[in-house]
This record gives sequence, C-alpha cells and structure tokens, in this order.
Amino acid sequence: AQSVAQPEDQVNVAEGNPLTVKCTYSVSGNPYLFWYVQYPNRGLQFLLKYITGDNLVKGSYGFEAEFNKSQTSFHLKKPSALVSDSALYFCAVRVDNYGQNFVFGPGTRLSVLP
Amino acid sequence: GAGVSQSPSNKVTEKGKDVELRCDPISGHTALYWYRQSLGQGLEFLIYFQGNSAPDKSGLPSDRFSAERTGGSVSTLTIQRTQQEDSAVYLCASSAGPGRDPKGANVLTFGAGSRLTVL
Repeated sequence: AQSVAQPEDQVNVAEGNPLTVKCTYSVSGNPYLFWYVQYPNRGLQFLLKYITGDNLVKGSYGFEAEFNKSQTSFHLKKPSALVSDSALYFCAVRVDNYGQNFVFGPGTRLSVLP
Repeated sequence: GAGVSQSPSNKVTEKGKDVELRCDPISGHTALYWYRQSLGQGLEFLIYFQGNSAPDKSGLPSDRFSAERTGGSVSTLTIQRTQQEDSAVYLCASSAGPGRDPKGANVLTFGAGSRLTVL
C-alpha cells in the first residue's frame, strides 16, 4: 500500500532563510510525486511534480524538490523564504496513471517569520 | 470553466438534515475527486469518477454519503441525516484523466471547497 509521511507538523523559518519541508513515501513501484500548497481558506494549488528524469524538480513560486530514491524522500525546498510562503503544504504520491491512487500526506504548516 | 467551482462555499445545517454540495469541474476534465478535510488536517479521499466508468466509492465513510456525476460533468455530493462529525471542508478536484498528460501523470486542480458546519 502507498503511504506518505510528513514528519513535521510545523516548520518555522525566518524570512530570507532557506526552508525545507520534508516528505518520505512508501510505494510498491515507481512513484509519481507531487507537492501542493494550501493558503488560508483556499483550495490546494499544485506546486510541482516528479515523474521521471532529473531528480531536481523546479516548480512555482521559486520552490524546488529533490527526488531521492534510496532515501524514498521528496523534500520541498526554497533558497530564500518569504512571509507570503506561510501556508499548509501537502506531499502526495501515486504509482500509476489510472484510478484513484493519489495518497496525500498529513500536511506541514510552514510559518515564515518576518 | 476556468477553474473548479464549488457551491455553496459555506453551509450551516442542523443535525439530521440532508445537504447537497456541488462541484463544477474544469471543462473537458474526465476525472473528478471528492476529498474531505477536517480542521487543519490532511485530505481524506471520498469518491472518484472517471469518465463513464463506475465510480470508486471506497472512501465514503458511511451509507449516509453518496455522490453522482451527471453527464460526465457536474457532481453532487449528498450527505443524509448529517452528524456533527460530518463538519469539515469538502474539496472537489478534477484532472484530465488517464492518458491525457504526456508526462504520464495527472495534476489535480482543486476547488476552493465547501465548508460544512453541522450544529
């Protein structure tokens, strides 16, 4: 069965500092990996995805994520955090292209302090 | 439409009443998902529609919950005899469906959600 873990409920970082939001996964096959962001009172917005190819994926708003197969991780990163990055971040995984098999992590709340 | 539209945005109801939540997906998207998000929590899968195939109802928490999708477009999630534990934000998402994404995986576009409060 697929599963996604986000080991930190809350991440605090000072504005201008680099940020990392962690995600690890467990699948029985090749994973497709996603990051979504949820701003207050909004639906989830797609940030980036890894399918194949380069392990470093760049996405919206300056975010990037690195796929590490040996560590089964897909951590979200940004070199310089903005206060406006404060939101709830969800990692998700799916194994194949058919059916309902998006599995979302529990979410990590990022707070960027001015 | 340009995005996924959900209505109502907020619904307050009394315990025992029935409610209907509506989702209008992006035009042309064949896949439609319903999720439930309790306050500050993760997403709980409820049901998935793909084209004309039988829906995947494996996430519906009880037989009080049902959903339909008419004409392969608009979907309605119905909760009968609501309970206080049904209070949550109900999120709808759509995607282009299998085989439509050249990278082999589909990105979900979410609506803003319907916040349900059962008193």
